[in-house]
Amino acid sequence: QVQLVQSGAEVKKPGASVKVSCKTSGYTFSNFAVHWVRQAPGQRLEWMGWINAGNGITKYSQRFQDRVTITRDTSASTAYMEMSSLRSEDTAVYYCARDPLGGSVYFDSWGQGTLVTVSS
Amino acid sequence: EIVLTQSPGTLSLSPGERATLSCRASQSISSSDLAWYRQKPGQAPRLLIYGTSGRATGIPDRFSGIGSGTDFTLTISRLEPEDFAVYYCQQYGSSPPITFGQGTRLEIK
Repeated sequence: QVQLVQSGAEVKKPGASVKVSCKTSGYTFSNFAVHWVRQAPGQRLEWMGWINAGNGITKYSQRFQDRVTITRDTSASTAYMEMSSLRSEDTAVYYCARDPLGGSVYFDSWGQGTLVTVSS
Repeated sequence: EIVLTQSPGTLSLSPGERATLSCRASQSISSSDLAWYRQKPGQAPRLLIYGTSGRATGIPDRFSGIGSGTDFTLTISRLEPEDFAVYYCQQYGSSPPITFGQGTRLEIK
């Protein structure tokens, strides 16, 4: 079955960077896109960016494009999201999600989420 | 940016009742670009509906979606205990290309 398994919780200091991984299985990695969505405490879901796992093309929300880099390792069927210059407002659960690349964009499978806490 | 506004903020109903959740977009979107998710506490969201009315794999037929333009609706015909959760609509369109509503909390009355 389709699975997206994310790396564990992180605690970072302001100004640091974090890299979250999303290991996929149960489907052909390169036939789909992987998106990153975050959810701060009590807030709505917020889209951050995506990578086409086949050709590696990325697109970012303007809000994050200066601080977020999304990459993938096709040999490991894994996507990564790295965020730099962390601040307290970045404390959130970060999710990866699969996009079937069917014309529109929606997320048919999700990782379990990774809590990133930014605190001095 | 297309803003999605969901109503009501909280809906209190009993198991077996019918739930109607609304999602209104700040500008018209294609019906192919509207999806709904359910999120239970401590879990990731789960896709329910895509393309306004298409049910995702494994989603029972008590879930249905309808709408066009700026107004979209998710209906749950007979509430089961597992349906009490938070529901989000999501659109794909202009920059930022993907936005979510603020959520409707469906709670047991």
